[in-house]
Amino acid sequence: DADVTQTPRNRITKTGKRIMLECSQTKGHDRMYWYRQDPGLGLRLIYYSFDVKDINKGEISDGYSVSRQAQAKFSLSLESAIPNQTALYFCATSVISGGSGELFFGEGSRLTVL
Amino acid sequence: KQEVTQIPAALSVPEGENLVLNCSFTDSAIYNLQWFRQDPGKGLTSLLLIQSSQREQTSGRLNASLDKSSGRSTLYIAASQPGDSATYLCAVERRGNEKLTFGTGTRLTIIP
Repeated sequence: DADVTQTPRNRITKTGKRIMLECSQTKGHDRMYWYRQDPGLGLRLIYYSFDVKDINKGEISDGYSVSRQAQAKFSLSLESAIPNQTALYFCATSVISGGSGELFFGEGSRLTVL
Repeated sequence: KQEVTQIPAALSVPEGENLVLNCSFTDSAIYNLQWFRQDPGKGLTSLLLIQSSQREQTSGRLNASLDKSSGRSTLYIAASQPGDSATYLCAVERRGNEKLTFGTGTRLTIIP
């Protein structure tokens, strides 16, 4: 089983719908991240969390919200999806201070908003 | 604001050749630099992480170097194989920022 699991892997939805992408990890890491990847733009950080009670906005948080339900679970929500949120979304984890800082990624969730 | 650039965006080389991928960044106050590999439709896999105090890291046929003063890193792949075909991304973690800034990647194709 993968250390970082994202569900769903693929989702097609319509404009205005609420969507939740879920991420769970078995690595025991404190830090979790949500990125989106668009062609030609690279990966951009949406939200990140350094522990269960710590949530921080990234560079493109507008239109998104997150919930850190437990150390192992970090979900991303689009309250009212719009077409320019069509992208490949990645969850990632890393060890907090004292570790290497190495990031571990899930397989990605491809979201299409029509 | 940290900017990370990877040129070229795509590269094709014959199997067996040694090759170098480039990564440049604008702010030298970094904590570390990481190189990742991404296969089509897949997530990113960490290849090498270089701390700011280090000059290079090696793993098998891969060697990554870091020159903070010039804002450059290179990923050297020796004796390339078709299985090395993928997109390679670099990312830097800025001191005091604790977040990564990614380049847009170089898509590498190894021709059998």
